[in-house]
Amino acid sequence: AQSVAQPEDQVNVAEGNPLTVKCTYSVSGNPYLFWYVQYPNRGLQFLLKYITGDNLVKGSYGFEAEFNKSQTSFHLKKPSALVSDSALYFCAVRDRGSQGNLIFGKGTKLSVKP
Amino acid sequence: SAVISQKPSRDICQRGTSLTIQCQVDSQVTMMFWYRQQPGQSLTLIATANQGSEATYESGFVIDKFPISRPNLTFSTLTVSNMSPEDSSIYLCSVDSRGTYNEQFFGPGTRLTVL
Repeated sequence: AQSVAQPEDQVNVAEGNPLTVKCTYSVSGNPYLFWYVQYPNRGLQFLLKYITGDNLVKGSYGFEAEFNKSQTSFHLKKPSALVSDSALYFCAVRDRGSQGNLIFGKGTKLSVKP
Repeated sequence: SAVISQKPSRDICQRGTSLTIQCQVDSQVTMMFWYRQQPGQSLTLIATANQGSEATYESGFVIDKFPISRPNLTFSTLTVSNMSPEDSSIYLCSVDSRGTYNEQFFGPGTRLTVL
């Protein structure tokens, strides 16, 4: 069965420090991979995706993610965190072979302190 | 990207009643998706709605409880029927961008509380 794991319920980072939010997946074949962010009382906003090509993908708000096929991981990163980055982050996968609904991880709450 | 609106943004309902949630997209789309996000949980797909055909429901969700309409390519409704407190969730609709296998864009969600 397809699944997405975000092993950390919460990540705490000081402003200006680099941040990493972890994601691993279990999907047959080569899936499409996504990161979304949810601010309080808001819908989900798309951050970035990996479809094919370069393993390092860049997205909105200075975020990037690294696809690692051997480790089946797609960790979200940012070199310098901002307080405004504090939100709930969801990793999601989509099976290339199907009509393809998104399968979401349980989410990781990012807290950036000044 | 598509602009998606939902009505209502939130509601508080009594047990046993039904609520219909509307989703409007600013462009024509083939597929629309309805998700549920229970408190403190991730998103779970309820169903996929194609215009002109019956919605396809995921395991654990049935049409009698969550009837869906898709009258045209820019609009869909989800009804939560015979509500119980366990139905308290955020309900989100989404659409594919530029066809399948790309990212989905989400509406702002409808926060439902059932007393």
